[in-house]
Amino acid sequence: AQKVTQAQTEISVVEKEDVTLDCVYETRDTTYYLFWYKQPPSGELVFLIRRNSFDEQNEISGRYSWNFQKSTSSFNFTITASQVVDSAVYFCALSEAGYSTLTFGKGTMLLVSP
Amino acid sequence: EAGVVQSPRYKIIEKKQPVAFWCNPISGHNTLYWYLQNLGQGPELLIRYENEEAVDDSQLPKDRFSAERLKGVDSTLKIQPAELGDSAVYLCASSLDGYTEAFFGQGTRLTVV
Repeated sequence: AQKVTQAQTEISVVEKEDVTLDCVYETRDTTYYLFWYKQPPSGELVFLIRRNSFDEQNEISGRYSWNFQKSTSSFNFTITASQVVDSAVYFCALSEAGYSTLTFGKGTMLLVSP
Repeated sequence: EAGVVQSPRYKIIEKKQPVAFWCNPISGHNTLYWYLQNLGQGPELLIRYENEEAVDDSQLPKDRFSAERLKGVDSTLKIQPAELGDSAVYLCASSLDGYTEAFFGQGTRLTVV
């Protein structure tokens, strides 16, 4: 069975601070995919990134960066110089090879204040 | 390009009444999903379609929930009769196929009173 744990329920930061959202996963498969989605107050889940289990290279996209470590089964997400518009609930998710169905964590609510 | 479209955005019904939600996936996407999101939780899969075939409906409460995807495009999710515990957000998503990332609609927030 697969499982995604986001231990941080809520994080509050002041604008321009860096913030890291933690994600730990469990799966028996050797091939799997990891995702991050953002859910703003409007409710729509916005796709941010998809990584496969064979690609452990860290990725940077603007102010966003992701750190994937198979040794610790973690896929952490860092926002550099946070902005008020980053305020949202962020979900980490996992899918096993050959199946696109996602198993989500419970999400981390990020509040960025001016 | 239009995203996943869901309607209605909000629905309030009395318990024991029927309710239906509609989803129009992104054009060309063969895989369609219905997820249930309870307050403070991550989404959980209800049903997944590959074209018009339901390939994973193991989490769909079949005594009161039903879904269809006629012609492999639009989909409808129905609850009959609704219960208080069905109050949640119902999310529809689509992907190009069963191996690519899913894109979500804005969801339908159901309140059962």
